Amino acid sequence: GESVGLHLPTLSVQEGDNSIINCAYSNSASDYFIWYKQESGKGPQFIIDIRSNMDKRQGQRVTVLLNKTVKHLSLQIAATQPGDSAVYFCAEDVDSSYKLIFGSGTRLLVRP
Amino acid sequence: EPEVTQTPSHQVTQMGQEVILRCVPISNHLYFYWYRQILGQKVEFLVSFYNNEISEKSEIFDDQFSVERPDGSNFTLKIRSTKLEDSAMYFCASKTGGGTDTQYFGPGTRLTVL
Repeated sequence: GESVGLHLPTLSVQEGDNSIINCAYSNSASDYFIWYKQESGKGPQFIIDIRSNMDKRQGQRVTVLLNKTVKHLSLQIAATQPGDSAVYFCAEDVDSSYKLIFGSGTRLLVRP
Repeated sequence: EPEVTQTPSHQVTQMGQEVILRCVPISNHLYFYWYRQILGQKVEFLVSFYNNEISEKSEIFDDQFSVERPDGSNFTLKIRSTKLEDSAMYFCASKTGGGTDTQYFGPGTRLTVL
């Protein structure tokens, strides 16, 4: 069935280090993936997206990798800053449907 | 930068009462959504809306829920008779077009049912 899940509920990193947040999805028909950042009491904020015809996409300090063979998505944050502390969700759009399916979320804690 | 806005930020209601949550999507967007997030859980899809009709709805979106776009700017979610388990954050989202366009989310309305 459709599902998007995350391997780790909490990730703690030292300020300045790189962070890697992982996500597994199960629907091979998914053609679009998005990473959202959610700070406490706020709505999901778009970070970066990737379409299924790509393996990698880079933004400012963030990179998303897509491995369709194993249905795995990751978000890499370079030089993690205190402002990066938040919950990160991956979401998938199945076959350009009318909805996003969200994963469970990973809380990123940045230690000073 | 255009944003999705939602009002109120927090709504407290008694069980059995009707509530209307309001959203103003980004002005040139055509697809509108409601999602909810129970405290500490993941974001769940409720309903999508395009061309003045529901495109898709989840099993959560039962007969107690309805959506409306009463004018050219507002998009509302009504819960007819609230239950305790309706307590959650409700997020509105919108996107420009169909296919793989990014959905942009509002700040949410926290609904507390007593």
